[in-house]
Amino acid sequence: AQSVTQLDSHVSVSEGTPVLLRCNYSSSYSPSLFWYVQHPNKGLQLLLKYTSAATLVKGINGFEAEFKKSETSFHLTKPSAHMSDAAEYFCVVSLYNFNKFYFGSGTKLNVKP
Amino acid sequence: GAVVSQHPSWVICKSGTSVKIECRSLDFQATTMFWYRQFPKQSLMLMATSNEGSKATYEQGVEKDKFLINHASLTLSTLTVTSAHPEDSSFYICSARGGRLAGETQYFGPGTRLLVL
Repeated sequence: AQSVTQLDSHVSVSEGTPVLLRCNYSSSYSPSLFWYVQHPNKGLQLLLKYTSAATLVKGINGFEAEFKKSETSFHLTKPSAHMSDAAEYFCVVSLYNFNKFYFGSGTKLNVKP
Repeated sequence: GAVVSQHPSWVICKSGTSVKIECRSLDFQATTMFWYRQFPKQSLMLMATSNEGSKATYEQGVEKDKFLINHASLTLSTLTVTSAHPEDSSFYICSARGGRLAGETQYFGPGTRLLVL
């Protein structure tokens, strides 16, 4: 069975401080993993993806994530939060040649001035 | 690259009417398109998957007669909510994948908010 667990439903950070959004997955197969961001009333934008190449993946807007197979984790980080980062973030595991996406429950990131 | 559009972005309709939502891939050929539904403060729920020229595959619990999906071309899929009722009010998001540009992930449209009165 496949599943994605986002450990925090809400994360609040101050502008300029690091961001850590946690994601753990379970998969019977070698997964592809993604992080998407959703701003209010908007669709999802791809931040980054892991598809069995380098385990440290760099994405847009300064985000990066590290695939750790031993920990079954794919945490999203950013060294310095910006007000525009406030949004909802979804961790996704993909199977069947990217035709099946399993979404985490989402983490809402709040950035305080 | 890999842009997906949806139209309309907002629709309000009366109970019992049908509503059509369009999903287009603008710069790639989408061999597969997906329709999701998102309730407030919740994650996305896959409704159906469609391949161009084929019948859609619906997820368990999704009424195929109520949510009609057509994927007539490599750049267009439509979702028609038939005889809409207030409980169908939701945020509908499509995604697409295919080709060299967008083969290794799904690219999402901006979503359509449906309100049934």
